[in-house]
Amino acid sequence: QKEVEQDPGPLSVPEGAIVSLNCTYSNSAFQYFMWYRQYSRKGPELLMYTYSSGNKEDGRFTAQVDKSSKYISLFIRDSQPSDSATYLCAVLGNQFYFGTGTSLTVIP
Amino acid sequence: DSGVTQTPKHLITATGQRVTLRCSPRSGDLSVYWYQQSLDQGLQFLIQYYNGEERAKGNILERFSAQQFPDLHSELNLSSLELGDSALYFCASSPRPGGFSEAFFGQGTRLTVV
Repeated sequence: QKEVEQDPGPLSVPEGAIVSLNCTYSNSAFQYFMWYRQYSRKGPELLMYTYSSGNKEDGRFTAQVDKSSKYISLFIRDSQPSDSATYLCAVLGNQFYFGTGTSLTVIP
Repeated sequence: DSGVTQTPKHLITATGQRVTLRCSPRSGDLSVYWYQQSLDQGLQFLIQYYNGEERAKGNILERFSAQQFPDLHSELNLSSLELGDSALYFCASSPRPGGFSEAFFGQGTRLTVV
């Protein structure tokens, strides 16, 4: 079983839609949960991270961790064409473990 | 521009060869992280250095090695290359050893093994 599993997508939504990106993880000991955004031909950039469980909001982005079900989510409100990218979830244990990424396209 | 510089941007080499990838961290950053991103494995953490010392190790093969020099630049050495080593190799840097939240990635080196 992989440490992090991510819905592969791809996902295509109209501009203004709410986007939900999801991952599950295997080890209940993981405490840090991250979301990275990666544009084509660029390195990943950290969007948000949470420690332990709960929600964290930053503008149009909300990261959510449900430790009881080992589920992490990223919600994007009022999605924009500039949000079109690959989104990777990650967890930090004794090392970093990444999901395989979900490709998102927001259509104007 | 993240301030992290990776060279070369592209590299094509033959199986069995050895290559060296270079990373110059952002000014003031003491920690360097190396990652491999391939189509089948996704993004994988390889290794982290902090101020010249190995700090954390991930899924780094024995054929691969890294080091961080006194001027804080880092090199990732890949030897006995196989077709499956073809991937994007990213470097990231941060000021602190546990500073993943402050880490910025370079643009990567695309390695193609033929």
